[in-house]
Amino acid sequence: EVQLVESGGGLVQPGGSLRLSCVVSGFTFSHFSMNWVRQTPGRGLEWLSYIGSRSDVIYYEDSVKGRFTISRDNAKNSLYLQMNSLRAEDTALYYCVRCGVKCGGGGYYDLDVWGQGTAVTVSS
Amino acid sequence: QSVLTQSPSVFAAPGQKVSISCSGRDSNIGNNYVAWYQQLPGTAPKLLIYDNDKRPSGIPDRFSGSKSGTSATLGITGLQTGDEADYYCGTWDDYLAAGVFGGGTKVTVL
Repeated sequence: EVQLVESGGGLVQPGGSLRLSCVVSGFTFSHFSMNWVRQTPGRGLEWLSYIGSRSDVIYYEDSVKGRFTISRDNAKNSLYLQMNSLRAEDTALYYCVRCGVKCGGGGYYDLDVWGQGTAVTVSS
Repeated sequence: QSVLTQSPSVFAAPGQKVSISCSGRDSNIGNNYVAWYQQLPGTAPKLLIYDNDKRPSGIPDRFSGSKSGTSATLGITGLQTGDEADYYCGTWDDYLAAGVFGGGTKVTVL
């Protein structure tokens, strides 16, 4: 069974840091590009970052550029999101999401497997 | 403000058909394939349609997708109470170099 399990969320003060992790199973992690997507009740789904299967391509949404860093360890079947300089508006449920097998070229971009999410609250 | 535009809500009776539209521009829908996601209450989103009109294994053929120019449409026929959910369109935007979503459409079965 394909599974993505996020962890690392919690309560953090404004300006603080958190590192989210996502451990995957049930598929060959090194063959797939990955994403982080977050969701707040008032703002729907918000794409945050993309990383290619070999960490060769990385993209960020503008509001997190310079504050968040995506990375992966294919040997550990793990995806990470280092979040620094956190703000109240970063409060959300953060999803680890697999990109479909054709992602990365030719206009294909389907997010075919989603974790259950880990909640981040930024508040003093 | 979402990059892709969806109407916020749609209401229909059981058994009826609904269409959900998603509007974008050349840099996103115009140039790339569109996916649709279903989010049932309290759960993570699930891929419903990919590559504009393809259904993953296990998705009933009551769900269909299409694309024309810079717009895409999700159709649901034979509406069931279990279809009450939020539906999001998504694609890649070449200009932004980013994934983009619509704001979501809440389907309510009367």
